[in-house]
Amino acid sequence: QQQVKQSPQSLIVQKGGISIINCAYENTAFDYFPWYQQFPGKGPALLIAIRPDVSEKKEGRFTISFNKSAKQFSLHIMDSQPGDSATYFCAALLSGSRLTFGEGTQLTVNP
Amino acid sequence: DTAVSQTPKYLVTQMGNDKSIKCEQNLGHDTMYWYKQDSKKFLKIMFSYNNKELIINETVPNRFSPKSPDKAHLNLHINSLELGDSAVYFCASSQNLGGDEQYFGPGTRLTVT
Repeated sequence: QQQVKQSPQSLIVQKGGISIINCAYENTAFDYFPWYQQFPGKGPALLIAIRPDVSEKKEGRFTISFNKSAKQFSLHIMDSQPGDSATYFCAALLSGSRLTFGEGTQLTVNP
Repeated sequence: DTAVSQTPKYLVTQMGNDKSIKCEQNLGHDTMYWYKQDSKKFLKIMFSYNNKELIINETVPNRFSPKSPDKAHLNLHINSLELGDSAVYFCASSQNLGGDEQYFGPGTRLTVT
């Protein structure tokens, strides 16, 4: 019930393309869904997050799409840039409890 | 200026040794965490402290002992190090337990030989 499944494990995109990473969760009590970005040698950092009362959130080139009935959410990176190359983690939070992370997606954006 | 800092950044040691990793946050947060990131980059929570009180203690060998001398510090002591302990250990903090945003430190890469 606490799992968050993330796919794909790795993704290669050309510069200017759209990167899409998907996550699925089981526990319907999760109430906060963040995405973290991690560059090599650094700690993860919050990129964008959504609550289940909205279906989409956009911040610049980054968009989260949320499908409550399917228990799925995804990260879309528009106009992907080489500087976006990093590992991306989806996560889900149960209020007052722990953050459960997906397995991570290694994104490479080729110039 | 660093929000969450960890020392050391790299730690190379032999099997059987005891080592400590220190973490400090200057964000005024109530809750601190230790995570382990394995070679496949999977992030797994180990411990969580809220106002110096242990809240989360995942299935971690009791060779690992966290200590929180005050709200701003959370240290991790590891006894009798094993090869399988090699990983990157991240400290993190959040405003409160289950707080929305967690701020991660830069990590400590532990290599056990």
